[in-house]
Amino acid sequence: DQQVKQNSPSLSVQEGRISILNCDYTNSMFDYFLWYKKYPAEGPTFLISISSIKDKNEDGRFTVFLNKSAKHLSLHIVPSQPGDSAVYFCAAFTQFYFGTGTSLTVIP
Amino acid sequence: SAVISQKPSRDICQRGTSLTIQCQVDSQVTMMFWYRQQPGQSLTLIATANQGSEATYESGFVIDKFPISRPNLTFSTLTVSNMSPEDSSIYLCSVAGTDYGYTFGSGTRLTVV
Repeated sequence: DQQVKQNSPSLSVQEGRISILNCDYTNSMFDYFLWYKKYPAEGPTFLISISSIKDKNEDGRFTVFLNKSAKHLSLHIVPSQPGDSAVYFCAAFTQFYFGTGTSLTVIP
Repeated sequence: SAVISQKPSRDICQRGTSLTIQCQVDSQVTMMFWYRQQPGQSLTLIATANQGSEATYESGFVIDKFPISRPNLTFSTLTVSNMSPEDSSIYLCSVAGTDYGYTFGSGTRLTVV
């Protein structure tokens, strides 16, 4: 049973535009959420997180939004850069259920 | 954050053999985690390795198939035993960092033929 879902396996965005990656979860007990970025042949690297007591967390070009009632979170990247091209995973704490990943391609 | 050295980075193994994956951390950590990513699927937690005690396995994973060693606070190994093509995956070790962020090794890409 996939408790964390990323329904878009891929996304293409023009350089400079906004990238929006979405994630849905089913377990209302999750109280901490994280986004990871993964380049080919490397392990995932932590990107940004959000606690359930917040609905928004911003770090530079990256902003994560949490909608607890909808059990939905999203990652916004503004402006998108070619170096952002990677697979992005959302994750829910503590059992660490990962989504299936969204492959983002930023087109120069 | 911790730095993890994981090896081998990739291997091609014969059916029925075993492969041991090593993870070395540059600092002492209580808990280490082993994950598997099968093609087209999400990362799945295999087990949690605590120093001085047996690893805790997630549902669907057993010690006979994935024995884990944790001899000290900076090192762990995962063995994939009696391999079959279904074991072809990327295997990753991980340690907890600050603010709930986790640091991952670079992964081991295993192909079983």
